[in-house]
Amino acid sequence: EDQVTQSPEALRLQEGESSSLNCSYTVSGLRGLFWYRQDPGKGPEFLFTLYSAGEEKEKERLKATLTKKESFLHITAPKPEDSATYLCAVQPNYGQNFVFGPGTRLSVLP
Amino acid sequence: DAEITQSPRHKITETGRQVTLACHQTWNHNNMFWYRQDLGHGLRLIHYSYGVQDTNKGEVSDGYSVSRSNTEDLPLTLESAASSQTSVYFCASSESESLEAFFGQGTRLTVV
Repeated sequence: EDQVTQSPEALRLQEGESSSLNCSYTVSGLRGLFWYRQDPGKGPEFLFTLYSAGEEKEKERLKATLTKKESFLHITAPKPEDSATYLCAVQPNYGQNFVFGPGTRLSVLP
Repeated sequence: DAEITQSPRHKITETGRQVTLACHQTWNHNNMFWYRQDLGHGLRLIHYSYGVQDTNKGEVSDGYSVSRSNTEDLPLTLESAASSQTSVYFCASSESESLEAFFGQGTRLTVV
């Protein structure tokens, strides 16, 4: 069974304090791994897609990396506006559907 | 700008009633999805469609149905609402198999 776990469940950082979020997955074959950001009361917003081990993507203070078993979302010098829940999802090779993890709730304090 | 909209944003209904949640997208995407989101769970797939007249069951489809009569709309129907269906429902669409999905703002449904 395809599974996605994320850690930590919640993370509190001071503004400027860099850290990483983890997404671990088990899937029979990986077509793609997706990161989304979700603000309270809103739908998830797409951030990155990673397709193969070793791939990296960057956007402002965020950088996503991928290995064969996990992905990391690195947040460099975060700001309060980075506070959100970050969701990871995998798309198996055999189908089009995404399997989502439970998310990491990030709070960045000024 | 293209978008995906859900209505209503909030709904309270009684156990046993039929409820329909609307989803409308102007991206002209073939793929559309319905998810539910509950505390402690990730987004779980209810139903999905790859095009007009195509519908498929997802992970948690019992008690739900969808129909796809045009590209833009995928309404979700709860046949007989149950308290276990109290949740936040998200509709999403994507252009093709391996591209990212765009999500609506969600519908918060409470079944009392």
